[in-house]
Amino acid sequence: QKEVEQDPGPLSVPEGAIVSLNCTYSNSAFQYFMWYRQYSRKGPELLMYTYSSGNKEDGRFTAQVDKSSKYISLFIRDSQPSDSATYLCAMSFDRGSTLGRLYFGRGTQLTVWP
Amino acid sequence: DGGITQSPKYLFRKEGQNVTLSCEQNLNHDAMYWYRQDPGQGLRLIYYSQIVNDFQKGDIAEGYSVSREKKESFPLTVTSAQKNPTAFYLCASSMTGGVHEQYFGPGTRLTVT
Repeated sequence: QKEVEQDPGPLSVPEGAIVSLNCTYSNSAFQYFMWYRQYSRKGPELLMYTYSSGNKEDGRFTAQVDKSSKYISLFIRDSQPSDSATYLCAMSFDRGSTLGRLYFGRGTQLTVWP
Repeated sequence: DGGITQSPKYLFRKEGQNVTLSCEQNLNHDAMYWYRQDPGQGLRLIYYSQIVNDFQKGDIAEGYSVSREKKESFPLTVTSAQKNPTAFYLCASSMTGGVHEQYFGPGTRLTVT
């Protein structure tokens, strides 16, 4: 079993829809959770970064972490065609351990059509 | 402008040749990483380095080598021993000391025929 599971999609939604992207993980020691957005043939860019459980909002994006269920989500409100990209979740252990190494999901390919 | 540069964007090589991918950062980050990405797959860690003159193998280090002689630079050599070298290669960097966000370069697409 991979440490981080993410449905690769593809996911296709109309403009204006609310998008929900999810990852599950197996290791309860993960403490830091990130979402990256990757446009085709580009490097990933950091979108959201959260520590432990709870919600974090940034504009149209909300990151949610439920450590009891080992489940993280990214919600995109009022989705736009420019949101079309692959979204990768990533996580790491407590800062005292292996040096900031990240564990990535496979990525979910999202298309928002006008 | 601070950032990570990777060159070239596209690279073509014949089978049996070694090739070196460049990665430079001016973010003053201590840690640097190399990942490989194949279609429909996530990022797989090849090598990482926390400080100059030190680096560790990641999950798929076989057939690859790195050096870290300068803080700003972390070149990756894909050797002829790598069985399936065609892939998208991404370099990243981060600060150490508990900050875990990694920042990525634009990537190099390597095609070996």
